Amino acid sequence: DQQVKQNSPSLSVQEGRISILNCDYTNSMFDYFLWYKKYPAEGPTFLISISSIKDKNEDGRFTVFLNKSAKHLSLHIVPSQPGDSAVYFCAASPTLNTGFQKLVFGTGTRLLVSP
Amino acid sequence: GAGVSQSPRYKVAKRGQDVALRCDPISGHVSLFWYQQALGQGPEFLTYFQNEAQLDKSGLPSDRFFAERPEGSVSTLKIQRTQQEDSAVYLCASSLDERGNTDTQYFGPGTRLTVL
Repeated sequence: DQQVKQNSPSLSVQEGRISILNCDYTNSMFDYFLWYKKYPAEGPTFLISISSIKDKNEDGRFTVFLNKSAKHLSLHIVPSQPGDSAVYFCAASPTLNTGFQKLVFGTGTRLLVSP
Repeated sequence: GAGVSQSPRYKVAKRGQDVALRCDPISGHVSLFWYQQALGQGPEFLTYFQNEAQLDKSGLPSDRFFAERPEGSVSTLKIQRTQQEDSAVYLCASSLDERGNTDTQYFGPGTRLTVL
């Protein structure tokens, strides 16, 4: 049962254009959402997050949008750069009494930005 | 400053062997997590420590998996009698404190375990 889904295994865009990565989730208990970026042979690196009380969070070229009613979030990268080429993981965390971030990851989308 | 480090980076084991994977979290980080990432999948939660206390081990796949963090810093994930399905990348992450579910986790590079 995949609670966090990234249905596009790969995405190719040209440098300077917008990259849009999508993520869907099924568990209504999730209230904190994150995007991680992963280069080969490295661990995931935190990119940007959003709380369920917001519908948008922006950090430089990266913007995350959350549509709670549709259980959908997306990551926009504008403008895309070749260095953005990596695997992007969507992750979600439910509210837990223990208060720690128990991340549930999607399967990832490989982004390739060509010059 | 130094990030999360893991050793060894690569481990090949024969089926039935025991293995021990080490994680050195960022100094001062209270929380420590272990994840398992199978080929083509996202990381899956295994276990969580707050200092030396193992507060959640619900993701450990079987009783062959054991994790410890005796002094609240370095952690070891031990897998006994390894099986081929244990082949995966094992990721360790740490975060500064237990500030609810918004505290950023910093990941190490992982240990790639291959069981023959």
